[in-house]
Amino acid sequence: GQQVMQIPQYQHVQEGEDFTTYCNSSTTLSNIQWYKQRPGGHPVFLIQLVKSGEVKKQKRLTFQFGEAKKNSSLHITATQTTDVGTYFCAGRGAAGNKLTFGGGTRVLVKP
Amino acid sequence: GAVVSQHPSRVICKSGTSVKIECRSLDFQATTMFWYRQFPKKSLMLMATSNEGSKATYEQGVEKDKFLINHASLTLSTLTVTSAHPEDSSFYICSVRGAQNGELFFGEGSRLTVL
Repeated sequence: GQQVMQIPQYQHVQEGEDFTTYCNSSTTLSNIQWYKQRPGGHPVFLIQLVKSGEVKKQKRLTFQFGEAKKNSSLHITATQTTDVGTYFCAGRGAAGNKLTFGGGTRVLVKP
Repeated sequence: GAVVSQHPSRVICKSGTSVKIECRSLDFQATTMFWYRQFPKKSLMLMATSNEGSKATYEQGVEKDKFLINHASLTLSTLTVTSAHPEDSSFYICSVRGAQNGELFFGEGSRLTVL
């Protein structure tokens, strides 16, 4: 079945620095979504990418969908303590409805 | 987006008892709701898709007799963990799917601890 992998599993970032987390699917996706889960909280939808090569920005967050629609990345610039949490990508297969979540990247910010 | 509420947020029970978790869609009529399970520092695993007025669709490896799902109305789905054991301790989260992007709106989650 479809598998979605995320790297790195953990990311320790100095406040003010940039970092990128990567998401790779074993199969071609119809779209990919990103979610953020704060410690002790529930996942919150951030964005959806649909088109091959699509790039979307939300303030300091830049999301990219690969040309082959099998990978995606999230780049955060000038990391702040409010960026702490786990970032999940979730891919929807070409066939249908099911979203498969990646393992998540747990981000810790050092002030 | 949709507002989803779960109750209870935390529950501690003895081994062998059954626990019911409610998931309500407060401003959105949801014919479908999704139940996920999350172990500490792990990802979200889809357990089942709850369908209003019909049987839930369970993912492979999820025991339907263990995790009873009822979706009796467009705003309420319930998950009952029957004869709970310590290995059932986990964070259970429900969600509904948004109409615009197909994004998921999650409830606050219910943390179950079985002693």
